[in-house]
Amino acid sequence: QQQVKQSPQSLIVQKGGISIINCAYENTAFDYFPWYQQFPGKGPALLIAIRPDVSEKKEGRFTISFNKSAKQFSLHIMDSQPGDSATYFCAASKGFLVGSQGNLIFGKGTKLSVKP
Amino acid sequence: GAVVSQHPSRVICKSGTSVKIECRSLDFQATTMFWYRQFPKKSLMLMATSNEGSKATYEQGVEKDKFLINHASLTLSTLTVTSAHPEDSSFYICSALGRLAGGPGDTQYFGPGTRLTVL
Repeated sequence: QQQVKQSPQSLIVQKGGISIINCAYENTAFDYFPWYQQFPGKGPALLIAIRPDVSEKKEGRFTISFNKSAKQFSLHIMDSQPGDSATYFCAASKGFLVGSQGNLIFGKGTKLSVKP
Repeated sequence: GAVVSQHPSRVICKSGTSVKIECRSLDFQATTMFWYRQFPKKSLMLMATSNEGSKATYEQGVEKDKFLINHASLTLSTLTVTSAHPEDSSFYICSALGRLAGGPGDTQYFGPGTRLTVL
């Protein structure tokens, strides 16, 4: 049973466009939802994260939208650039809010290609 | 800069030998570290959770005698792949759970990964 479902599997966006990646989760105990960016041959790097008591978080060109009732969250990349081309993973974990965060459950990843 | 390091970044070994991979948290103490395995174009698969001073907790299907984990200090965890075989070839990534000075709440910081190739 896949606890975190991510879509699409791959995404092609023109430079300057908006990239949108979606994730859905099942476990209502999850209380921490990060997004990671991974370049080939490198480890994942934390991009942005959100807690369930917030509906939106923005950092630069990256925005997380969170819908607690629908158990969905999404990553929006505004003004997408070729340098954003990478694989993006959503994840979820529980215990964050009580200071005992457990392991991350990852989505399957989305390969983003931004065309110049 | 990097807050979690891994060594080596790449290793090639012969079948039957053992390989040790080190994971270090550089700017914080990590009571908990995680070891992941990633196949090409796939997501990260959690192998085990390592807590300093205690035995690691392995995920279902992961052989604890084959993948030995030691978390001897608050900044170092090691993964030893014993009697490696070609099917163990993969990208191994560690992460450390901690909080940087002035940073947000506890966050998992990932290492750069180790590419293991078993011939």
